[in-house]
Amino acid sequence: GQNIDQPTEMTATEGAIVQINCTYQTSGFNGLFWYQQHAGEAPTFLSYNVLDGLEEKGRFSSFLSRSKGYSYLLLKELQMKDSASYLCAVRLMDSNYQLIWGAGTKLIIKP
Amino acid sequence: GAGVSQTPSNKVTEKGKYVELRCDPISGHTALYWYRQSLGQGPEFLIYFQGTGAADDSGLPNDRFFAVRPEGSVSTLKIQRTERGDSAVYLCASSPRGVESTDTQYFGPGTRLTVL
Repeated sequence: GQNIDQPTEMTATEGAIVQINCTYQTSGFNGLFWYQQHAGEAPTFLSYNVLDGLEEKGRFSSFLSRSKGYSYLLLKELQMKDSASYLCAVRLMDSNYQLIWGAGTKLIIKP
Repeated sequence: GAGVSQTPSNKVTEKGKYVELRCDPISGHTALYWYRQSLGQGPEFLIYFQGTGAADDSGLPNDRFFAVRPEGSVSTLKIQRTERGDSAVYLCASSPRGVESTDTQYFGPGTRLTVL
């Protein structure tokens, strides 16, 4: 079966840094996505990793280790508006379109 | 530019009724996806269209669910004889091509379906 694990909830302080981890065990791998989802809204694309290493995009960075089946999303200089759920999704090798989704990590930012 | 739009934003219906949910993808996107999301869960894949055809409908839970995309643009998800367990947010996404590894899916705001 396919399995993606993320912490259910995390709390961090405004201005700080937080790392959200995602581990996966899937039958194939053809890339990993991170999406942000505010309550009651649609998921919005944050990042995509297919090769090992760190991808930086402004305050957000995403890291991938394929050998360990592990990724993390790093958020710097946290702002109150970063309070949201962060979803990790893996694209399987045998179907380039189908994504397997984690349940998401709810991030709470405190002043 | 316009993103993915979905109508209605909310739908309340009674058990046993028929509902239709509409998705208008980003112009020019050939791939379209329907997902269902329950509270505290990630999206659950339902069906994928490449153009007008349903390339993969393996995620549809049973034969009460059906989706069409007759002209390769707008899609309609149809649910017959609704049940309380169908209550969820139904998300639609589109992507430029669907079959390339770098293709990114862009989501609409969803339709919140409540079956009483």
